[in-house]
Amino acid sequence: GAVVSQHPSRVICKSGTSVKIECRSLDFQATTMFWYRQFPKQSLMLMATSNEGSKATYEQGVEKDKFLINHASLTLSTLTVTSAHPEDSSFYICSAKNGLAGTEQYFGPGTRLTVT
Amino acid sequence: SQQGEEDPQALSIQEGENATMNCSYKTSINNLQWYRQNSGRGLVHLILIRSNEREKHSGRLRVTLDTSKKSSSLLITASRAADTASYFCATDAMNNDMRFGAGTRLTVKP
Repeated sequence: GAVVSQHPSRVICKSGTSVKIECRSLDFQATTMFWYRQFPKQSLMLMATSNEGSKATYEQGVEKDKFLINHASLTLSTLTVTSAHPEDSSFYICSAKNGLAGTEQYFGPGTRLTVT
Repeated sequence: SQQGEEDPQALSIQEGENATMNCSYKTSINNLQWYRQNSGRGLVHLILIRSNEREKHSGRLRVTLDTSKKSSSLLITASRAADTASYFCATDAMNNDMRFGAGTRLTVKP
């Protein structure tokens, strides 16, 4: 199946700093990418959907000024957590889809963010 | 927001027994997918069932889909200790996004 990578896999940062997470589709063009957040022992919560070249659509309750998403190319989306706080510590997972609704979605391995 | 609920939230069985997990959802879908996640790890895609399918098999996995009831079930037969994980259903909705159920934490005791 298609491969989606994330970098870094783990990151520890200090409160108040910003962290950038990259999501890449390695062998296909991702017209749509999704960002999810997962807290311990909970399910994945969709944060935002981004289409290449346009602004991301954020889910209710997700601060777009805090979680900056850039989908600059068909193979790369980035999530920047700005002014991170300990409550932002979570597992962030991206996924990518090529084309129309109903096509398979491919998930990255996730990035564990710890804010101290 | 999440799409729906899964039950049970937690399931503990003995090795060799069958495990059944259920998932309900709210909106119309293109397909429904089941994933497995070991603690602290990424998702492993198990099976995809399209909205026009009613049942699908893959090895020891059997998935059913009832679009009239907006529900799906995942059956794992002859469970093994290595099946211990969290299992999530995810719906691929008509508006092109995918949402996850709350998940079932399965423990298979050797």
